[in-house]
Amino acid sequence: DGGITQSPKYLFRKEGQNVTLSCEQNLNHDAMYWYRQDPGQGLRLIYYSQIVNDFQKGDIAEGYSVSREKKESFPLTVTSAQKNPTAFYLCASGGTATNEKLFFGSGTQLSVL
Amino acid sequence: RKEVEQDPGPFNVPEGATVAFNCTYSNSASQSFFWYRQDCRKEPKLLMSVYSSGNEDGRFTAQLNRASQYISLLIRDSKLSDSATYLCVVNDYGQNFVFGPGTRLSVLP
Repeated sequence: DGGITQSPKYLFRKEGQNVTLSCEQNLNHDAMYWYRQDPGQGLRLIYYSQIVNDFQKGDIAEGYSVSREKKESFPLTVTSAQKNPTAFYLCASGGTATNEKLFFGSGTQLSVL
Repeated sequence: RKEVEQDPGPFNVPEGATVAFNCTYSNSASQSFFWYRQDCRKEPKLLMSVYSSGNEDGRFTAQLNRASQYISLLIRDSKLSDSATYLCVVNDYGQNFVFGPGTRLSVLP
């Protein structure tokens, strides 16, 4: 089936540790996005990429890094510089034409040990 | 000023009620508009796109007023399964999706 797969569903991070969240899509979408959602809050954009080997910072990029080596994959690394990483992380993809919609993965809940 | 604002909620309504959600956006150049539904600890799922002429999908009706920069969602004959958070999403040119904070709906038996 076509879709977006995020893994793992739950992730725990120790202080000072970098962790990587996986996001893979087989929808042939050019654009991919990472969002952070805190309890009771809306989605905030961390990074996005509209083409392979190119990505742009969103509103809250500090403490995060990404790569886009393949069209299908857009992993997010939460670095030790992100002091408050506990949140629900959502990956999304979409086309780049006007009126294109976003499709989401099932999310990763990251917690700090 | 927030780019996309929504009714703060929560809305608690009885089954069968009609409920309306409002959303305003600040960027007059915004290109496309959507309503997403999000269940607790789940990913947002597209409920419907919003077109200039207004559109309806079963019990759901969406309206867009570009002059007032206002979007609405009307749910008729509410079901228990409609309980969720409803997100207003605006797409500026260049694939910049901006999410509202969401309005939580609880449909009560």
